[in-house]
Parts: sequence; structure tokens; C-alpha cells
Amino acid sequence: EVQLVESGGGLVQPGGSLRLSCAASGFTFSNYWMSWVRQAPGKGLEWVVNIKQDGREKKYVDSVKGRFTVSRDNAKHSVYLQMNSPRAEDTAVYYCARVRYYDIIGVMAVRNWYFDLWGRGTLVTVSS
Amino acid sequence: QSVLTQPPSVSGAPGQRVTISCTGSSSNIGATYDVHWYQQLPGTAPKLLIYGNNNRPSGVPDRFSGSKSGSSASLAITGLQAEDEADYYCQSYDFSLSDYVFGTGTKVTVL
Repeated sequence: EVQLVESGGGLVQPGGSLRLSCAASGFTFSNYWMSWVRQAPGKGLEWVVNIKQDGREKKYVDSVKGRFTVSRDNAKHSVYLQMNSPRAEDTAVYYCARVRYYDIIGVMAVRNWYFDLWGRGTLVTVSS
Repeated sequence: QSVLTQPPSVSGAPGQRVTISCTGSSSNIGATYDVHWYQQLPGTAPKLLIYGNNNRPSGVPDRFSGSKSGSSASLAITGLQAEDEADYYCQSYDFSLSDYVFGTGTKVTVL
């Protein structure tokens, strides 16, 4: 079965640390960019980070730069999110998502990205 | 704060047609970036509904359709069913932010 399963969420104190994991199965994990997307309680979706197939290219939303670190282990079909110095506003359900992209060549080349497979999410609560 | 604006809610009776708008700007939808749509049923993870403005992944009913014009896009649901009651999000890319952006979300209620 093609699926993503997150784990590692829980209660963490502000300034502490937490590591989220996402295990992939049913597809060739090493062929895909992967992403973390979060959703604060009662709020909308917010993209957090992308990581390239070989792990050498990463892109973060500004609000987590310098605090969160994404990594992956293709041998274990897993992607991770190390959350350091979390803040109350980082409280959210964190979803792991598979990324797809395609290019449109016109007046200028445009690369489009979307998320075609999502895990069930893991809740992170930042509170003292 | 999202750069893609959606109406907070839309509603319709079973069998009716409803549309959800997604309004962006010249740095995202208006810059020829495509729009993708996700459905989030209550208490579940988002699911890809439409990609590339108007393409349905395998398994998505043809009651769902998407379109894009200028700096805006729309999702239409025809023959509304009780199981369509969910939150819907549009998504694109914004080159000025260098971010993958989601819409504010729309709750669809089946009357």
C-alpha cells in the first residue's frame, strides 16, 4: 500500500527539541522530493519545508529557518524534521507529503509543485 | 497570512452546483503558476483533488472540476453530495515569497 506514516509528535517545552519521522512505503521513496506541511489547530495549511531526492537541496519557510532541520534516509525510506527551539506558534499537526512537479515552458519557464500523497499527521504541542 | 484568498464558506443543497474561488496576484496565479486543490474531510489529512488547474487524480469523481483565469482559479462541485462536506484548499507557488502557498480554505456545507 502506498502510504506515509508520521510519528514523534507530542508535548514539547518552548526552547526544547523534538524530532518527527515519516516512514514511506509502497513507492520508490528515493525518486521523490518530500515535504512537511503543518496545520495549526482550527487553521489552514502552511508549507514548512521541502527536501530533494538526494537530500542536498532543502528549502524552508522563513518562520522556521535556523530552528528546524529536514533530513532523509533513502535506505530507510524515511524523512525527518528536527525541531529545535520550538515556539508556541509552532503548535500544529505536522503532515508529511510527497511532492510532484512539472515544468511549463513558455515566455518564461515555470516549475509547478504540488503534494500528491499525505500522511495522517502527528500533533506537536509547544507549551510549558 | 495567506496570499491566496478563498471564501470562508459555501453551501448548497444535495444535487446543486457550488463553486469556490481562489484569488491570487501577479506573483503567483497571475504569473502563470498553476493551481492545485485539496479536500480535507473532517478529522482527516488533506487529499489531492485537482492538480494543474483542471486535472483529476485517479479515483476523484468527475463531479469535481477546476479552472483558472488571470490571477484567480475556481473549483466547481456539481451534483453536490453529503460526503462532499469538507474543507477545500487551493495551492500554488509565489515567486516573490519563494514559497509554496495555500489558500485560506473554504468550508463546504451540504444543506
